[in-house]
Amino acid sequence: GAVVSQHPSWVICKSGTSVKIECRSLDFQATTMFWYRQFPKQSLMLMATSNEGSKATYEQGVEKDKFLINHASLTLSTLTVTSAHPEDSSFYICSARGTRWDYEQFFGPGTRLTVL
Amino acid sequence: AQTVTQSQPEMSVQEAETVTLSCTYDTSESDYYLFWYKQPPSRQMILVIRQEAYKQQNATENRFSVNFQKAAKSFSLKISDSQLGDAAMYFCAQGGGSNYKLTFGKGTLLTVNP
Repeated sequence: GAVVSQHPSWVICKSGTSVKIECRSLDFQATTMFWYRQFPKQSLMLMATSNEGSKATYEQGVEKDKFLINHASLTLSTLTVTSAHPEDSSFYICSARGTRWDYEQFFGPGTRLTVL
Repeated sequence: AQTVTQSQPEMSVQEAETVTLSCTYDTSESDYYLFWYKQPPSRQMILVIRQEAYKQQNATENRFSVNFQKAAKSFSLKISDSQLGDAAMYFCAQGGGSNYKLTFGKGTLLTVNP
């Protein structure tokens, strides 16, 4: 199967600082990557979709200036939470899709962000 | 708009027994895919099974099988010979359209009792 890594697995930061989360497809080229947010005991909430080399498409209600997404290569996408606040604390999950698969997405292990 | 509904927030099953998780969906797409993902306590999303809508035959993967009723827009997951390791949150998801997004249901928390 296809493997997606995510780094870091957990991060604690102070309010007002920025945090970058990396998502990498290890053994395939990811034409599309997705970023989700998950609150405890809830489903995944899609934040944005990114295609390599183009601007991310954000879901309604997601602040694009707060959650900066870059998909600079076919194996790497990054999510930067800018000026983080305690309400940004959450579990962030990325997924990737390659051209060999139709709608199947392969998920990273997630990043737990805690903003103090 | 696509919607996925999982009407069972929680389910429990005895080890070695069979359990069925329900999922209904709604879509205007003619070509789409359906998935069941498992999220154990580690929170790693794991694909359990997938079904292409154009295929009439129900997908099976070892102890996991689906009952795909296209006209009724129903996609249930059957887990046979349940094992303790099957305990997890199970999400039904549907994908269709040119943006390749997945729409997830709210999930069903499955408990396996020894």
